[in-house]
Amino acid sequence: QSVLTQPPSVSAAPGQKVTISCSGSSSNIGNNYVSWYQQLPGTAPKLLIFENHKRPSGIPDRFSGSKSGTSGTLGITGLQTGDEADYYCATWDSSLTAMVFGGGTKLTVL
Amino acid sequence: QVQLQESGPGLVKPSETLSLTCTVSSYSISSGYYWSWIRQPPGKGLEWIGNINHSGTTYNNPSLKSRVTMSVDTSKNQFSLKLRSMTAADTAVYYCARELHPAAAEDYWGQGTLVTVSS
Repeated sequence: QSVLTQPPSVSAAPGQKVTISCSGSSSNIGNNYVSWYQQLPGTAPKLLIFENHKRPSGIPDRFSGSKSGTSGTLGITGLQTGDEADYYCATWDSSLTAMVFGGGTKLTVL
Repeated sequence: QVQLQESGPGLVKPSETLSLTCTVSSYSISSGYYWSWIRQPPGKGLEWIGNINHSGTTYNNPSLKSRVTMSVDTSKNQFSLKLRSMTAADTAVYYCARELHPAAAEDYWGQGTLVTVSS
């Protein structure tokens, strides 16, 4: 049972937009930054978003992040088949003094 | 380009201790950041194990804390993980990563190493 709650799966057609939610609490998302990771099959996760909305160098602006209260959201526009992957949110939990991940969301581009 | 590479045994017997080392290239551990271990059981999600900085300050996952020891060797630009009393539930791909702390942002990852616990 993950500290952060994500939908198990989302799907959308190529070219469309999708959002993935990440729900937490005041001890984690509510008072700390949210980050997002993309994991393609058989590869290490890749950082997509950090500090709620910032993109590392090389990450296209099709990927966006936001935070409101105790929830974070990842948005992906102009979906491509290459975006099919597992997506994870993460944050610091001040009560646990540990980093926590969401359970992951599988994105299918139909 | 920062690079990380995990090394260690691919097979560990139940009750034994897993020892993994992560070698960092193109960035000095002493320059900052935290250095973390994350694992992923086959077909499952990511689990943060813990992190350490160049001065040896560590944070650990409470669920694993009693079994985990982390260390850093700045002269070799390496950091290490020891996980005691291994069981089949510890079978996973183990990753090392560079972490912006406490932003929970792992910006560089190793390729991962599969560790299987079996007699």
